[in-house]
Amino acid sequence: ETGVTQSPTHLIKTRGQQVTLRCSSQSGHNTVSWYQQALGQGPQFIFQYYREEENGRGNFPPRFSGLQFPNYSSELNVNALELDDSALYLCASSLELGRDTEAFFGQGTRLTVV
Amino acid sequence: SQQGEEDPQALSIQEGENATMNCSYKTSINNLQWYRQNSGRGLVHLILIRSNEREKHSGRLRVTLDTSKKSSSLLITASRAADTASYFCATADSNYQLIWGAGTKLIIKP
Repeated sequence: ETGVTQSPTHLIKTRGQQVTLRCSSQSGHNTVSWYQQALGQGPQFIFQYYREEENGRGNFPPRFSGLQFPNYSSELNVNALELDDSALYLCASSLELGRDTEAFFGQGTRLTVV
Repeated sequence: SQQGEEDPQALSIQEGENATMNCSYKTSINNLQWYRQNSGRGLVHLILIRSNEREKHSGRLRVTLDTSKKSSSLLITASRAADTASYFCATADSNYQLIWGAGTKLIIKP
């Protein structure tokens, strides 16, 4: 167990709906990253938060948005869900921002859009 | 876009044998990390090798890095059924964000 918890573990939504995924980072970690992983693929970087500020964003449309709270927990919001948004969403926290920093992952949220 | 490409895409070996998987990347790196993922769950960090290192060991894991060829290999010795998983390499870009390959799916047959 990494100490990073994500909720919910599974979710089924209808196309066009909105969804909020939550991540509680490991104690003392101030950096959170979100990834989307389609079946059989590697994770794709969505965005990263460092001390409540967005520190970079991958190639995802604006309907993917996020927040990091003062306790460093985080949310990923997706509006106007599309079928292709069906994937495993992974949250990872790190002790600090840096290239040598190990990422600790939660177990993910499996989102199915029907 | 994906920075790394793992090879092979899938590997099936007998328990006790050694498993080798490779990762190639495109840009210069500060370090390269290997992670394991069990059956669609979260990723677990295995080992980090810095660009000025050529080889690193951790238990039954041996990682090599060849920056001239932009490639790395992960060797798992004396494989066990519990090693069945997908293995990914990842590199950090200039904004400290991890860029991932598509992974190697390893199956250990009893």
